[in-house]
Amino acid sequence: QQQVKQSPQSLIVQKGGISIINCAYENTAFDYFPWYQQFPGKGPALLIAIRPDVSEKKEGRFTISFNKSAKQFSLHIMDSQPGDSATYFCAASKKNDYKLSFGAGTTVTVRA
Amino acid sequence: NAGVTQTPKFQVLKTGQSMTLQCAQDMNHEYMSWYRQDPGMGLRLIHYSVGAGITDQGEVPNGYNVSRSTTEDFPLRLLSAAPSQTSVYFCASRRARTDTQYFGPGTRLTVL
Repeated sequence: QQQVKQSPQSLIVQKGGISIINCAYENTAFDYFPWYQQFPGKGPALLIAIRPDVSEKKEGRFTISFNKSAKQFSLHIMDSQPGDSATYFCAASKKNDYKLSFGAGTTVTVRA
Repeated sequence: NAGVTQTPKFQVLKTGQSMTLQCAQDMNHEYMSWYRQDPGMGLRLIHYSVGAGITDQGEVPNGYNVSRSTTEDFPLRLLSAAPSQTSVYFCASRRARTDTQYFGPGTRLTVL
C-alpha cells in the first residue's frame, strides 16, 4: 500500500506549456517532500524538495506547491522543454527517518 | 568522484539461482540503501544501512540479504531467485544529517 499517491500516470504537453503532477499523502508525520527526475536507463536524481513550513518553492522553471491542510503537494514545470521529458517521482519521509516513500511515478512527454 | 556505481548493468538468472548485486560509493556517505523499481509501483525500499556493520529491513525485504562490512560497499544478495524478483534495482547513498540521496545507474535483473 503506497503511502504517497501520485497522478497522473503519464502526461503529454506541448513545448512551452505547463506540466502539473500531483501527490497526496496521509501520514502527518511526513516532513520532507522531494521530487526526483529519472531519464530512461538512468537512476533518479533529486530535482527539488520542500518542507511543510513553506507553501511554495521555486527553482528555475520548477515549482513545488504544498498544501499542508489538504496533505497534497504538486510539481509545476513551466515553459516545458523536450529535455524535460522524463519520469518524475514524488516522495516523502518523516523527520530524522532515513526511509523515503515514493509515489508511482509520472512519465512526462514534451512534444516539440 | 565516480559517485554510486553498480554492477552488473544487466543480468539474467534462472529460477533458483543465486547472485550478488554490487554497489559502491566513493563519497564517504554513511547511509546506503537498495530499492527496486517496478512499473506502476515507484521505488520500494528493500534494505538499508546507516553505517558499517548496521543494516535493517525496508518495505520489501523478503528474498534479499545485505551486509555492510565497509563504508564504501553495500552488496545485495539474492539467495534463490524467483520470477517475482524481476525488476530494476537501484542502490543509493546519502550523507548523514543531509537529505539528498544519490542513486546509482541501476541493474536490470530478469529471472526466468
